[in-house]
Amino acid sequence: EAQVTQNPRYLITVTGKKLTVTCSQNMNHEYMSWYRQDPGLGLRQIYYSMNVEVTDKGDVPEGYKVSRKEKRNFPLILESPSPNQTSLYFCASRGQSEGPQHFGDGTRLSIL
Amino acid sequence: KNQVEQSPQSLIILEGKNCTLQCNYTVSPFSNLRWYKQDTGRGPVSLTIMTFSENTKSNGRYTATLDADTKQSSLHITASQLSDSASYICVVRPGRAGSYQLTFGKGTKLSVIP
Repeated sequence: EAQVTQNPRYLITVTGKKLTVTCSQNMNHEYMSWYRQDPGLGLRQIYYSMNVEVTDKGDVPEGYKVSRKEKRNFPLILESPSPNQTSLYFCASRGQSEGPQHFGDGTRLSIL
Repeated sequence: KNQVEQSPQSLIILEGKNCTLQCNYTVSPFSNLRWYKQDTGRGPVSLTIMTFSENTKSNGRYTATLDADTKQSSLHITASQLSDSASYICVVRPGRAGSYQLTFGKGTKLSVIP
């Protein structure tokens, strides 16, 4: 089954403790993105990647890092999480720049 | 600044009725416009993608229209079902070369009641 898998689905952690949210897709897609979704603000792009080793900042990259060492994986790293990064995070992939995005089921992060 | 505005913010309709959701955008140049459905607690799912040259596209009971001259799109849902209760998000892809970012609307929350 074609899918985008995020882990973990839920995480409660404390300020300053580094964490990584993994994202993996099994569709051999070139494009992958990370978004955060907050009430009243909609989906906002954090980072995106056009291919292996090619990444770029989205609208809200501060406090986040990404890497794309393999085509299927696109982890999101919070080096020193802060409470304002409490949010619902989505990873997405698409095969062509004009194609539909496939989203994961989300990761709900709570940073105390 | 590129923007996508959706209306209404929320809508309640009776099961079996039709409804229309609106999307206005200022993104220019424009490549394509997408509608997504997002169930509570899940990731968005693509409903339609329309390019500049397309006026209408259907996906079952969902029909999207596009007027590129007025920069408006609508999503029409026919014979609504309880499972249509969700947020509907309009997304526009700019047409600039090398641009891979998408501009998202904040969504319309639809509630279908028995």
